[in-house]
Amino acid sequence: EAGVVQSPRYKIIEKKQPVAFWCNPISGHNTLYWYLQNLGQGPELLIRYENEEAVDDSQLPKDRFSAERLKGVDSTLKIQPAELGDSAVYLCASSLGVGQTGEETQYFGPGTRLLVL
Amino acid sequence: AQSVSQHNHHVILSEAASLELGCNYSYGGTVNLFWYVQYPGQHLQLLLKYFSGDPLVKGIKGFEAEFIKSKFSFNLRKPSVQWSDTAEYFCAVSLSYNTDKLIFGTGTRLQVFP
Repeated sequence: EAGVVQSPRYKIIEKKQPVAFWCNPISGHNTLYWYLQNLGQGPELLIRYENEEAVDDSQLPKDRFSAERLKGVDSTLKIQPAELGDSAVYLCASSLGVGQTGEETQYFGPGTRLLVL
Repeated sequence: AQSVSQHNHHVILSEAASLELGCNYSYGGTVNLFWYVQYPGQHLQLLLKYFSGDPLVKGIKGFEAEFIKSKFSFNLRKPSVQWSDTAEYFCAVSLSYNTDKLIFGTGTRLQVFP
């Protein structure tokens, strides 16, 4: 079974440029998450989708970050414009969804490592 | 706000040594607890999880963790580490009323030397 797929794996851009990350969750997983992981820190949730609906985006900096999950499968996270402080790893994860088994496990992708110069 | 503390930032061991990594959380209600591992160059993988029942949880690759509610702790243990256990280990918590939101600790980097 294929895991969570993310692309690109690495991205280097100059500040003020836009950037987008793509995620394909595990087939059948209704819930999709985007996390931010700064160097030396644990992942922090940015946004969570239940199918195509964003149900928790309280940690997403909405002035420059946006996300979408059209058709409830793939998702895109965008930053526009990027700032130096956005350099980090952006992780995507997916799970079956709350209520499916009561004990949900999140499966993580390899992440996109972003460097803003 | 809820938080997760991992006291050991970097642990260095020789093969066959015993391992215990600390994890404490700050929340008085019912929690679900997880340990994730990230091997070099790989993605985060679930080692083990606790939702209810026996507080001693066994995971993959010989790891286990014990939930001690009175100490708000969920320490990870392995009796004899191997070189292949070299990785970063993350403790995470979710709250019973919001099981989808994982709160991670800052991670512990484990290096095992042959």
